[in-house]
Amino acid sequence: QVQLEQWGAGLLKPSETLSLTCAVYGGSFNGYFWSWIRQAPGKGLEWIGEISHRGNSNYNPSLESRVTISVDTSKKQISLKLRSVTAADTAVYYCARGATRFELWGQGSLVTISS
Amino acid sequence: QSVLMQPPSLSAAPGHKVTISCSGSTSNVGNNYVSWYRQLPGTAPKLLIYDNNKRSSGVSDRFSGSKSGTLATLDITGLQTGDEADYYCGTWENGVTPRRLFGSGTKVTVL
Repeated sequence: QVQLEQWGAGLLKPSETLSLTCAVYGGSFNGYFWSWIRQAPGKGLEWIGEISHRGNSNYNPSLESRVTISVDTSKKQISLKLRSVTAADTAVYYCARGATRFELWGQGSLVTISS
Repeated sequence: QSVLMQPPSLSAAPGHKVTISCSGSTSNVGNNYVSWYRQLPGTAPKLLIYDNNKRSSGVSDRFSGSKSGTLATLDITGLQTGDEADYYCGTWENGVTPRRLFGSGTKVTVL
């Protein structure tokens, strides 16, 4: 059974860099796109970006200037970096398998931006 | 503000049917597949429907999806208390790079 497990720092100060990692356990990594999605408190879902196992990436235009998604196929991991964070970046961040549909989701990581 | 519009909330009694709409445009819903997700409080979303009307593995046949033009709908029949959740539609816009989209979300309350 495929599981996504994610981790990273949960509390950041404004202007710092958010960094999260998502590992894939129990299933294939290659042949899929892997995505990051976030949800601000009490709000809806927002797509951040995606990456293929080959490293081809696409980003939400509203975040593209601050986001980098990378992949490590040897470890079956994807990573998210979001630079220059502000309070508006406070959210639960999810990794997910897929691009046109999101079939599997990580457990979510609450990241709070506060001075 | 989301490009895909859903009613903020819907409610119905147990055993009844609820229909959630997802309104987009020819740039997204009208020309691409739609998926539906259920998010129980405090948990990650779960895929219910993909490719407009295909049920994800293990999803009850009480859930069905359809699409006509730029409007997609999710029907939930035989409503149960466990169906009380937030529901989101999803699709994408084509372009130089694709942009994945989610609906604004619908809170379903079982009376």
